Amino acid sequence: DAGVTQSPTHLIKTRGQQVTLRCSPKSGHDTVSWYQQALGQGPQFIFQYYEEEERQRGNFPDRFSGHQFPNYSSELNVNALLLGDSALYLCASSIMTPNYGYTFGSGTRLTVV
Amino acid sequence: GENVEQHPSTLSVQEGDSAVIKCTYSDSASNYFPWYKQELGKRPQLIIDIRSNVGEKKDQRIAVTLNKTAKHFSLHITETQPEDSAVYFCAASKGGSYIPTFGRGTSLIVHP
Repeated sequence: DAGVTQSPTHLIKTRGQQVTLRCSPKSGHDTVSWYQQALGQGPQFIFQYYEEEERQRGNFPDRFSGHQFPNYSSELNVNALLLGDSALYLCASSIMTPNYGYTFGSGTRLTVV
Repeated sequence: GENVEQHPSTLSVQEGDSAVIKCTYSDSASNYFPWYKQELGKRPQLIIDIRSNVGEKKDQRIAVTLNKTAKHFSLHITETQPEDSAVYFCAASKGGSYIPTFGRGTSLIVHP
């Protein structure tokens, strides 16, 4: 049973560029949440997708956007990259009902130079 | 919104000792408290969780306690082993949509 898979594992981008990160949820999961984890910090909630809609959003600017596809996979897009966007981006999948218990992916390490 | 404070940021123990990590939360409506372990370069993994209708839960060498009145919860690891070395995160969430707020993490170092 495949867990949560994320791609790519590492990425280097230049300030001002745009990036797309991808996530395939664990089999049987229908909800995808994205987190940003800066070095030495806990994961910070970006947004959550369910039924192809953004259900909740954390305190992140509109430069961060996402999408969920009919097969429950998801993308995170970040526009106009800033140096401060450098972090580990984690995708977590879960089941909406009953709603508890994340399974995290291994993350995408984004470096903005 | 919810705010989760976690202490200490670093904890160094000798193999065989016990380790305790403490967290406090701000939102009295929070009712689910998971703990995650993140080894270097790996994904966070759920190791134990507790709901607000119980005060303590144990799984082998790991236990979690919850004090709803004081709004704090703790992770207890007994008989620590070198493989317990990792960063541990506490989190809190409330019913409805499960969106946990995480603490800043505790780096546990177990010396052989």
